[in-house]
Amino acid sequence: DAGITQSPRHKVTETGTPVTLRCHQTENHRYMYWYRQDPGHGLRLIHYSYGVKDTDKGEVSDGYSVSRSKTEDFLLTLESATSSQTSVYFCAIGTSGETQYFGPGTRLLVL
Amino acid sequence: QKEVEQDPGPLSVPEGAIVSLNCTYSNSAFQYFMWYRQYSRKGPELLMYTYSSGNKEDGRFTAQVDKSSKYISLFIRDSQPSDSATYLCAMSGGALNQAGTALIFGKGTTLSVSS
Repeated sequence: DAGITQSPRHKVTETGTPVTLRCHQTENHRYMYWYRQDPGHGLRLIHYSYGVKDTDKGEVSDGYSVSRSKTEDFLLTLESATSSQTSVYFCAIGTSGETQYFGPGTRLLVL
Repeated sequence: QKEVEQDPGPLSVPEGAIVSLNCTYSNSAFQYFMWYRQYSRKGPELLMYTYSSGNKEDGRFTAQVDKSSKYISLFIRDSQPSDSATYLCAMSGGALNQAGTALIFGKGTTLSVSS
């Protein structure tokens, strides 16, 4: 998984609860991404980062926030989880001019 | 019309068959084309990466891009049971990994190779 870890790997939470997912890389890549993968929708970009403290929104950013205080860590926060945010979340990393490499994923169930 | 269309399958073939997986797209600005393989409950892994039109071969895998038809293909020769996975196409208009440039994914085709 190209030096990418995600934690937790599985999480069950309740509606209205805040949730934070962590992505950690050991590759020193500048770019980091958060995607969600849902049946019938494929992979959709939530947020991405192009450097420490530099982030931008993706296609499906509503209800999510991110932070990147160190090169190696990119956090995804669901401020108040909803059942529609039940999904598999993937982190990816990349370097300018090259493609993206994905982590193992986090399965989130919001009850 | 979605930017990237990919038949979800499932596609079932016997071991040793030649497999053809395809995606069509609508955005003529796409220049970078990728195929990812995703095993069940795993993250996508990069399989092939091509720029602009033409063919690229890597072992049993060949990627083809036809920009005039807005059509990309992945061919798998001598398919093996270990090739059973979901194959995702992805593409981008700008140079990869730059602010403002996004990868657009197809929904994936599920392939099953039986022994």
